[in-house]
Amino acid sequence: DQQVKQNSPSLSVQEGRISILNCDYTNSMFDYFLWYKKYPAEGPTFLISISSIKDKNEDGRFTVFLNKSAKHLSLHIVPSQPGDSAVYFCAASSQGGSEKLVFGKGTKLTVNP
Amino acid sequence: DGGITQSPKYLFRKEGQNVTLSCEQNLNHDAMYWYRQDPGQGLRLIYYSQIVNDFQKGDIAEGYSVSREKKESFPLTVTSAQKNPTAFYLCASSTWAAHYEQYFGPGTRLTVT
Repeated sequence: DQQVKQNSPSLSVQEGRISILNCDYTNSMFDYFLWYKKYPAEGPTFLISISSIKDKNEDGRFTVFLNKSAKHLSLHIVPSQPGDSAVYFCAASSQGGSEKLVFGKGTKLTVNP
Repeated sequence: DGGITQSPKYLFRKEGQNVTLSCEQNLNHDAMYWYRQDPGQGLRLIYYSQIVNDFQKGDIAEGYSVSREKKESFPLTVTSAQKNPTAFYLCASSTWAAHYEQYFGPGTRLTVT
């Protein structure tokens, strides 16, 4: 039972264009969502998060959008840079619930120069 | 510099041997976690600990054991009972109040032959 789904295993974009990574979830108890970025053979690093009381959170080139009715969130990277090439994991949690983060399987982003 | 250290980076063992992976943090975080990552898979939770001398099973605890004798340390033992031990293992930590924002170590690649 996959509660957090990233249906695109990979995405390729040109440098300077927008990258859009998508994530769907099934558990309506989730109220906090995070994106992590991971390079090969390294640990994931926290990128950006959003609480369910918001529908948008922005940090520099990164913006996360949350559509609660559709149980969908997306990460926008504008403009994309070659250094953004990595695997991006979507994760969800219930702030008032268990301590567990539930991760999607990840989307490998490749930004071509 | 505060952070999480995992050692060693690469570990090789023969089948049938137990092996212990180290995880240390100096972030003064209460909670610590162990995840496993396999190719094309998200991060799956093995064990987590909210306080010293207490820990809970995650989604895939079979064949693993942990201890939490000190706040800074959360070693993971991969026992011979784990059927597919070859994987990338990640340790993480968080504060008790913000368990959903986890900080990850660099990981240990375990290969069992």
